[in-house]
Amino acid sequence: ETGVTQSPTHLIKTRGQQVTLRCSSQSGHNTVSWYQQALGQGPQFIFQYYREEENGRGNFPPRFSGLQFPNYSSELNVNALELDDSALYLCASSLGTTEQYFGPGTRLTVT
Amino acid sequence: DQQVKQNSPSLSVQEGRISILNCDYTNSMFDYFLWYKKYPAEGPTFLISISSIKDKNEDGRFTVFLNKSAKHLSLHIVPSQPGDSAVYFCAASAVGNQGGKLIFGQGTELSVKP
Repeated sequence: ETGVTQSPTHLIKTRGQQVTLRCSSQSGHNTVSWYQQALGQGPQFIFQYYREEENGRGNFPPRFSGLQFPNYSSELNVNALELDDSALYLCASSLGTTEQYFGPGTRLTVT
Repeated sequence: DQQVKQNSPSLSVQEGRISILNCDYTNSMFDYFLWYKKYPAEGPTFLISISSIKDKNEDGRFTVFLNKSAKHLSLHIVPSQPGDSAVYFCAASAVGNQGGKLIFGQGTELSVKP
């Protein structure tokens, strides 16, 4: 059974640029959630996708957007990057209403 | 407004002794609680969960206790091992939203000394 994978591992972008982060969910899981973890804080919910539809959103601006594909993999897109977007971005997959299993994360640095 | 709080940023315990990690919450709509462990450069790993209809759930060395009236939960690790050294996060989700939005605490860094 393959766990949750994320790419890339690390990324450096300049303020104002756009970035796409990718996530492959665990085999058999149909739900993907994205979280942002700033240094020294707990993960903060960005949004969740269930069967390709957005199923809940946290307190993040519209420049944070996402997609889920028919194979349940997912993308997180962030436009007009700001310095405060520097964080660890975590993807978690689950089978509907069950525990969420996290990937290793993508470390984004905005300069 | 921090709905889930872990007031101890760090905890140091001797190998073989009990580790007790605490978590408080403010939202009475939370009905499902989880604990995750996180090593550096890895994503959080699910440890144990508890539904609000229970007050205790046990899995091997890990036990979670829930006190709904106090809006408090704790994770007990017995006996503690050096490999348990990590950051522990508690998380909560609201009614009818078990698989949805998780609200995390700030984490407690556990250090188990040999």
